[in-house]
Amino acid sequence: EAQVTQNPRYLITVTGKKLTVTCSQNMNHEYMSWYRQDPGLGLRQIYYSMNVEVTDKGDVPEGYKVSRKEKRNFPLILESPSPNQTSLYFCASSPSGPSSYNEQFFGPGTRLTVL
Amino acid sequence: GNSVTQMEGPVTLSEEAFLTINCTYTATGYPSLFWYVQYPGEGLQLLLKATKADDKGSNKGFEATYRKETTSFHLEKGSVQVSDSAVYFCALSNSFTQGGSEKLVFGKGMKLTVNP
Repeated sequence: EAQVTQNPRYLITVTGKKLTVTCSQNMNHEYMSWYRQDPGLGLRQIYYSMNVEVTDKGDVPEGYKVSRKEKRNFPLILESPSPNQTSLYFCASSPSGPSSYNEQFFGPGTRLTVL
Repeated sequence: GNSVTQMEGPVTLSEEAFLTINCTYTATGYPSLFWYVQYPGEGLQLLLKATKADDKGSNKGFEATYRKETTSFHLEKGSVQVSDSAVYFCALSNSFTQGGSEKLVFGKGMKLTVNP
């Protein structure tokens, strides 16, 4: 089944404790992206990747890191999480970038709480 | 820059009611327009899209027409069902972006609840 998977689905952590949220897609997509969803703000892009070893900042990259060592994986790293990073996070992928009008496929989301 | 403004709700309707969710956009050039839907506890999924002016996207009884003259992409459904309860997001992508940024720009989303 074609899908985007994220792990963990739920995470409660404390300020300053490094964490990684994994994202994997099995559709051989070139483009992958991370969004955060907050009430009243909709979805905002954190980082995106056009292909292996090619990443770039989205609208709200501060406090996050990403890497794209393999085509299928695009982990989101929070080196020192803070309470303002409490949010619902979505990973997405598409065959190529959204400017080529492709549908983006979303993972199920990771609900992160930073105490 | 690129932006999307949509009705935010929340909106509650009775089954079989008519639904309109307004969406307007600001963009240079010729963006593509999308409606995504998020069912409870799930990720977003594409509902429909339109890639040029006057295109009509349709799916699951929902329709939206790309109106360049009014920069709008309103979502409509003639008779909603309980299973349509979800959050609806209008979004655009645009090849004419500064710095070549590759991203979807989303509206804030509108929560729809349909009661039996």
